Amino acid sequence: DSGVTQTPKHLITATGQRVTLRCSPRSGDLSVYWYQQSLDQGLQFLIQYYNGEERAKGNILERFSAQQFPDLHSELNLSSLELGDSALYFCASSVEAGQGDEQFFGPGTRLTVL
Amino acid sequence: DAKTTQPPSMDCAEGRAANLPCNHSTISGNEYVYWYRQIHSQGPQYIIHGLKNNETNEMASLIITEDRKSSTLILPHATLRDTAVYYCIVRGLHGSGNTGKLIFGQGTTLQVKP
Repeated sequence: DSGVTQTPKHLITATGQRVTLRCSPRSGDLSVYWYQQSLDQGLQFLIQYYNGEERAKGNILERFSAQQFPDLHSELNLSSLELGDSALYFCASSVEAGQGDEQFFGPGTRLTVL
Repeated sequence: DAKTTQPPSMDCAEGRAANLPCNHSTISGNEYVYWYRQIHSQGPQYIIHGLKNNETNEMASLIITEDRKSSTLILPHATLRDTAVYYCIVRGLHGSGNTGKLIFGQGTTLQVKP
């Protein structure tokens, strides 16, 4: 158990819909990362927040947005869902935001868009 | 971040040492080598990291060549539970900010056989 929790574990929805994925980092970790893992793209970095502020952005679609709240939990919002958005979404956390920090990953949310 | 090259797959007999190579010939002086693994759709798990000295922890050893252009992850006594995809990642500072985002390649699928 990494100490990072993600809800829900599974999500099945239809095209065009909007969903929210939630992540609670390990106690004391200030940085939260979101990654997407699909069969054809592998594990891809989406976005990072550090202490409530956006720190880095990867290949995140404009239909996707995220935020980190004062209690440090984070939400990833996916809207106008398409079939290709079906993937595993992982959240990770680390103490700080830099290169020397180990990241702890949550168990992931499996999103299926029908 | 420097690009890494790993063999797509490897086999290892249970109880034997598993040696997973990684080439990172374009690594720069302030970049670390990280290893993570992912066991069948679970969240990736941190294994070990290093800058230039060899490192050892309870999970594995990391051997980095003197020129830092390649490294080897060693699992000293592989078990069936070590069957996973192993990712070698090189990361460092980005622009004016310090971000710990991980850029995953395709990794090496290690199959430990009885």
